[in-house]
Amino acid sequence: DQQVKQNSPSLSVQEGRISILNCDYTNSMFDYFLWYKKYPAEGPTFLISISSIKDKNEDGRFTVFLNKSAKHLSLHIVPSQPGDSAVYFCAATPGRENKLVFGAGTILRVKS
Amino acid sequence: DTAVSQTPKYLVTQMGNDKSIKCEQNLGHDTMYWYKQDSKKFLKIMFSYNNKELIINETVPNRFSPKSPDKAHLNLHINSLELGDSAVYFCASSQGRVGEQFFGPGTRLTVL
Repeated sequence: DQQVKQNSPSLSVQEGRISILNCDYTNSMFDYFLWYKKYPAEGPTFLISISSIKDKNEDGRFTVFLNKSAKHLSLHIVPSQPGDSAVYFCAATPGRENKLVFGAGTILRVKS
Repeated sequence: DTAVSQTPKYLVTQMGNDKSIKCEQNLGHDTMYWYKQDSKKFLKIMFSYNNKELIINETVPNRFSPKSPDKAHLNLHINSLELGDSAVYFCASSQGRVGEQFFGPGTRLTVL
């Protein structure tokens, strides 16, 4: 039973445009959400996170939005750059237990 | 200067063998984790140690035994390897039991 779902296996975006990656979750105990980026043959790299008490967190070109009522979060990358091409994983954790539950990932391709 | 390192990076072995994967972090973190990424690319937590104490133990066959000699190291020993153990194993660390986890580069285990 997938508690964290990334329904888009891949996304292709033109350089300079906005990339929007989506994530849905089912477990209402999740209260901390993270996005990781992964290049081939490397480990996931932390990008940005958001606590359930917030609905938006911004860090440079990356913004994460959380809609608790819809159990949905999204990662916006603007402007997208070719170096952003990677697999993006959404993850969630129920606060007290730092047990990251990952989605299946979305492959982002940024075309120059 | 590598933050979380794993050895070996690749491991090819025969069914029934016993093997170990080592993990070291130089971030001064007190919590370490092992994750498995299976053929469907899902990352799933296996174990977590906080200050050398086991705090998360998911439903993992008891052929898998983690060992934490100190806060900076978390090794994974696997007995009687099976074909289904073939996967990429990632080590991670964090400061405290919540928050961002930093991942190693992964160890690709192939059981023949």
